Amino acid sequence: GEDVEQSLFLSVREGDSSVINCTYTDSSSTYLYWYKQEPGAGLQLLTYIFSNMDMKQDQRLTVLLNKKDKHLSLRIADTQTGDSAIYFCAPEAGGGGNKLTFGTGTQLKVEL
Amino acid sequence: DADVTQTPRNRITKTGKRIMLECSQTKGHDRMYWYRQDPGLGLRLIYYSFDVKDINKGEISDGYSVSRQAQAKFSLSLESAIPNQTALYFCATSARGDYGYTFGSGTRLTVV
Repeated sequence: GEDVEQSLFLSVREGDSSVINCTYTDSSSTYLYWYKQEPGAGLQLLTYIFSNMDMKQDQRLTVLLNKKDKHLSLRIADTQTGDSAIYFCAPEAGGGGNKLTFGTGTQLKVEL
Repeated sequence: DADVTQTPRNRITKTGKRIMLECSQTKGHDRMYWYRQDPGLGLRLIYYSFDVKDINKGEISDGYSVSRQAQAKFSLSLESAIPNQTALYFCATSARGDYGYTFGSGTRLTVV
């Protein structure tokens, strides 16, 4: 099955950019998602990228996809304290079927 | 009302007890999933169902069972709870051709 790896922790200062990285193993993943989990809450879909794209920008969020290296990243510009959360990378299994495999999650801490 | 509702939100139970976690949705989605979240391990798939008559095991189904009572309802049972089933449990839904999942707020289960 798919393996999805993320660093467990990232700490940044307010106003700086955050970059959260993810590596995965299934090269046939069609869509790759980023989810955000705030304390005590479920996961919310942040953004996603289709596998034939290299980059997608959505306001403060930039997703970069390197298919050759099976590497996905999420950049948050001008990081705010409200961005403190756990971020999960979730590639969709190749061949469709809607099944997602979640990474371990990266806990982002934003310091003043 | 939330699109995906999980009950209870919190539960403490004793080792050996049977417990049921419930999930209902108003999204009209045909696909439903149960995940557990453990710190440092991300979300792991327990069971999933692509329609009422289609139930599939995920990567960690041992010790769990599920029932899809209707398109909108998917319950997870622990037949004989053990302490290492202490975790945060999430229900999620999706629709064929749609993007990503919609998550419930989670059930925090403690087995003592």
